[in-house]
Amino acid sequence: GNSVTQMEGPVTLSEEAFLTINCTYTATGYPSLFWYVQYPGEGLQLLLKATKADDKGSNKGFEATYRKETTSFHLEKGSVQVSDSAVYFCALSSFGVGKLIFGQGTTLQVKP
Amino acid sequence: GAGVSQSPSNKVTEKGKDVELRCDPISGHTALYWYRQSLGQGLEFLIYFQGNSAPDKSGLPSDRFSAERTGGSVSTLTIQRTQQEDSAVYLCASSSWDWRKNTGELFFGEGSRLTVL
Repeated sequence: GNSVTQMEGPVTLSEEAFLTINCTYTATGYPSLFWYVQYPGEGLQLLLKATKADDKGSNKGFEATYRKETTSFHLEKGSVQVSDSAVYFCALSSFGVGKLIFGQGTTLQVKP
Repeated sequence: GAGVSQSPSNKVTEKGKDVELRCDPISGHTALYWYRQSLGQGLEFLIYFQGNSAPDKSGLPSDRFSAERTGGSVSTLTIQRTQQEDSAVYLCASSSWDWRKNTGELFFGEGSRLTVL
């Protein structure tokens, strides 16, 4: 079945450090891929998405590239801020399935 | 309101009691989803609705769990004879999914935190 695997957290970084959160997936067909973020005390919100191979999603300085050959969608940011501290979820949607399958989530803590 | 609204935000109940959780989606969104988030776990899919029908209820953990949606709008998730392992945050989301492109955005509510004593 379809599944998403994320690197375990928590990830603790100093401000302005480079961030990578790994995400790999298993899916039949050609899924769409997403990163959602959950800030403390808030609901989940879409961070970025990509719908086909080699697409790059980007938002708020975050980027992720849809790599079909490695079945990955790693999240990166060049310089993190304290305000980026949150839980990040990778997710996929297989065509015609109509639901998102989420990974376990990765907690990011950024220290000043 | 402008966003997905869930109630109650917190619910503490005794083992064996029934609970109802309500979700009011964004107006016009045809798809509605229920997920469960347990401590240390990811988001576990429970059920989704397209209109008033539920094409996929494969994630409901047991027959103690049920959900309905009426008028293509409000949805209620009911848990009968609650158990301690039902303690979690229950999240509702709605979307206007583009089925041709297999993409869209799920808008989540802030969740209903259920504690079963």
